[in-house]
Amino acid sequence: GAVVSQHPSWVICKSGTSVKIECRSLDFQATTMFWYRQFPKQSLMLMATSNEGSKATYEQGVEKDKFLINHASLTLSTLTVTSAHPEDSSFYICSATGTRVGAFFGQGTRLTVV
Amino acid sequence: QKEVEQNSGPLSVPEGAIASLNCTYSDRGSQSFFWYRQYSGKSPELIMSIYSNGDQEDGRFTAQLNKASQYVSLLIRDSQPSDSATYLCAADNQFYFGTGTSLTVIP
Repeated sequence: GAVVSQHPSWVICKSGTSVKIECRSLDFQATTMFWYRQFPKQSLMLMATSNEGSKATYEQGVEKDKFLINHASLTLSTLTVTSAHPEDSSFYICSATGTRVGAFFGQGTRLTVV
Repeated sequence: QKEVEQNSGPLSVPEGAIASLNCTYSDRGSQSFFWYRQYSGKSPELIMSIYSNGDQEDGRFTAQLNKASQYVSLLIRDSQPSDSATYLCAADNQFYFGTGTSLTVIP
């Protein structure tokens, strides 16, 4: 299957700082990437849909100024959590998709804000 | 937007048994269906895809699609403890996931 690489796999940051998470599709061109957040024992929550070269589409309730998404190329999307707070601590996961092939997920990033 | 519904479980089966996971969908126009497996603390991985009525087999896994009844199933034969995970289904380009079905295989 296709490979989606997400980096870093875990990060600890201080409250008020920003953290950037990268998501790369290594062997296919991903016109669309998705960003999810998952709290323990809960379902994946879609945060935003990222299309190459255009602004991301955010789900209701997700602050676009806090979770900045950039999809500058067909293989790279980034999520920046700005002014992070402890309540932003979560497991962040990206996925990339092609037509009729399902979604391929990155390894996830465990963010802890202290 | 919930286009698919899963029996939320949790499901427990003894090792060696067949585990059956079910999913129903509402959009009759849906063409492609996917099953994902998510281990605790890990991200989901795509394990099966099915596009036409009938069965799709891959090793111990069989995906079944019944478009008339609008359901898709995943059967896991000879279940192993390593199959213990949460299983998610999705249709077409739907990328909203529910809580999935938690499967525990008891040694």
